[in-house]
Amino acid sequence: NAGVTQTPKFRILKIGQSMTLQCTQDMNHNYMYWYRQDPGMGLKLIYYSVGAGITDKGEVPNGYNVSRSTTEDFPLRLELAAPSQTSVYFCASSPGQGSFGNTIYFGEGSWLTVV
Amino acid sequence: AQSVTQLGSHVSVSEGALVLLRCNYSSSVPPYLFWYVQYPNQGLQLLLKYTSAATLVKGINGFEAEFKKSETSFHLTKPSAHMSDAAEYFCAVSGTSGSRLTFGEGTQLTVNP
Repeated sequence: NAGVTQTPKFRILKIGQSMTLQCTQDMNHNYMYWYRQDPGMGLKLIYYSVGAGITDKGEVPNGYNVSRSTTEDFPLRLELAAPSQTSVYFCASSPGQGSFGNTIYFGEGSWLTVV
Repeated sequence: AQSVTQLGSHVSVSEGALVLLRCNYSSSVPPYLFWYVQYPNQGLQLLLKYTSAATLVKGINGFEAEFKKSETSFHLTKPSAHMSDAAEYFCAVSGTSGSRLTFGEGTQLTVNP
């Protein structure tokens, strides 16, 4: 029962460094998402994908990139890390569009600190 | 456009007391509504959801929520709080037109012994 798995769980980056947050799901879901969670701010959608080869911007895409080469994997790339990207990142997936009442399943989160 | 407001960023109750977490929404189309729970250092998991069937929705762990269109509310309740209910709770809304899911800012529930 792996569900949505994301790595690493914790990471400290220096300003200007780059890194990739990995995400994989084993539920054969078409839809995948990346959210960031900041204290008192709820969850903000960074990018989402409706299937392999298709990605689209969410509310806060600046400073991030994604790709979706397979149904299972949806990595999030941070280029030129900035302190404003210090946050908790959640990968998620759903069998259909989350906004149509489909349940979204979340990974356990990745805590990223940029110093 | 749609939005969700959770009244009270922190709620504290005694063990055995009623839990009431408030959520009000705005949506230009009939909404889908969700409550998610986040335990410390974990991801979010679905508690319950309203998808235009029964207005009183029962979820996991004894929680339920009632959709009230006239009040644009979807408050979460549990008759008797347990220590294990301590967590952060998020209300979320989307419109049936397929607009993106919008999350509230969350309510941190503390349960005192």
